[in-house]
Amino acid sequence: DIQMTQSPSSLSASVGDRVTITCRASLSIGTYVNWYQQKVGRAPTLLIFAASSLQSGVPSRFNGTGSGTDFTLTISSLQPEDLATYYCQQTYRTRALTFGGGTKVEIK
Amino acid sequence: EVQLVESGGGLVQPGGSLRLSCVVSGFIFRDYEMNWVRQAPGKGLEWVSYISSSGGSSIYYAESLEGRFTISRDNSKNSLYLEMNSLRVEDTAVYYCVKGDRRQYYYYMDVWGKGTTVTVSS
Repeated sequence: DIQMTQSPSSLSASVGDRVTITCRASLSIGTYVNWYQQKVGRAPTLLIFAASSLQSGVPSRFNGTGSGTDFTLTISSLQPEDLATYYCQQTYRTRALTFGGGTKVEIK
Repeated sequence: EVQLVESGGGLVQPGGSLRLSCVVSGFIFRDYEMNWVRQAPGKGLEWVSYISSSGGSSIYYAESLEGRFTISRDNSKNSLYLEMNSLRVEDTAVYYCVKGDRRQYYYYMDVWGKGTTVTVSS
């Protein structure tokens, strides 16, 4: 299986800060990466697909970049409602979809 | 409004079986690929299984399941299923029914149900 390694596993930032989460794939996967947000007690929601395409309805402060093995999710100006855990996912191999371990974002 | 509603979770003893169901509405079910994704208590997301829109052409499972689970769908009933056998304590999780979609070659999971909880314990 393709391993997706996220870092950091958690972070704490202030409202208005720029936040960056990274995801590294165990082999080159083009831009076959999605990002999901999961708030406490809720199901995940799709933020970004194909590494950089913003899902409809998602605020523009969320941005995804990367290709090959290294990917980044950036929140340009952290808001209180962004308190959540974020997951990357590879869809390069749909026979064996895998998620990263998650990054918990806390508000200072 | 697109909705996916899971049911069938509960408490089961190790070695037992359960059948999860997911009834969908708000979209043309037969046109979309579907998945099950689970989340153990306090842990991350784990993809469980995938089924193509027709149900017959492509079915995939996570290797960790070791052949114990079976995914199926009934397009006439707008329903997705997961038959789980030989359940283990480590199968304890919230199980999500998830709709897939594609944009060109890119696959993503765009709608998630609220989940149903499976607890395997003696």
